[in-house]
Amino acid sequence: GAVVSQHPSWVICKSGTSVKIECRSLDFQATTMFWYRQFPKQSLMLMATSNEGSKATYEQGVEKDKFLINHASLTLSTLTVTSAHPEDSSFYICSAELQGGKGGGYTFGSGTRLTVV
Amino acid sequence: GENVEQHPSTLSVQEGDSAVIKCTYSDSASNYFPWYKQELGKRPQLIIDIRSNVGEKKDQRIAVTLNKTAKHFSLHITETQPEDSAVYFCAARDQGAQKLVFGQGTRLTINP
Repeated sequence: GAVVSQHPSWVICKSGTSVKIECRSLDFQATTMFWYRQFPKQSLMLMATSNEGSKATYEQGVEKDKFLINHASLTLSTLTVTSAHPEDSSFYICSAELQGGKGGGYTFGSGTRLTVV
Repeated sequence: GENVEQHPSTLSVQEGDSAVIKCTYSDSASNYFPWYKQELGKRPQLIIDIRSNVGEKKDQRIAVTLNKTAKHFSLHITETQPEDSAVYFCAARDQGAQKLVFGQGTRLTINP
């Protein structure tokens, strides 16, 4: 089946540094990738929608200058958390819709556990 | 945009009994409603889904019903087993933005 590979699976960084998370679609092309954040015991909250070759669409309340999204190719989307702070510690997960929205459902990356110390 | 409400937030049932989780959505244009099971620290795993042109779907012990008029859908798990213990999320596809909007989640505990 369609797979999205997400790396790293976990990362610990110092406060003030930046962290990049990558999501690659391995056997399909993803023109759109969705980035979610999940705090402990909470739901998946959509942060932004990344679109290949154009600017990402951010959800209300998400700082676009802090969470940089790049979708430079049909198989790679990246999320960079800039100037990370402890409150950014969370589980970040990407997702892509299959078959261009024509009934294929969604596939998810394995997630990245970010801990900012 | 779409908004999904999920209840209950926690559910405890005896092994062998049935469990029901309910969700409501706000956008009548939404057309795809998946249910996910999530283990701690893992990606959501699709367990069943339903599209807006269908009222009910069943897969062994799991079933989903959809009431488009009332804009609600439900997950039914019969003959529950300890391995069914997990967090379950419903979701609805916002047809306009093509994004998946999740409910708040239900922590299901199956008591032996």
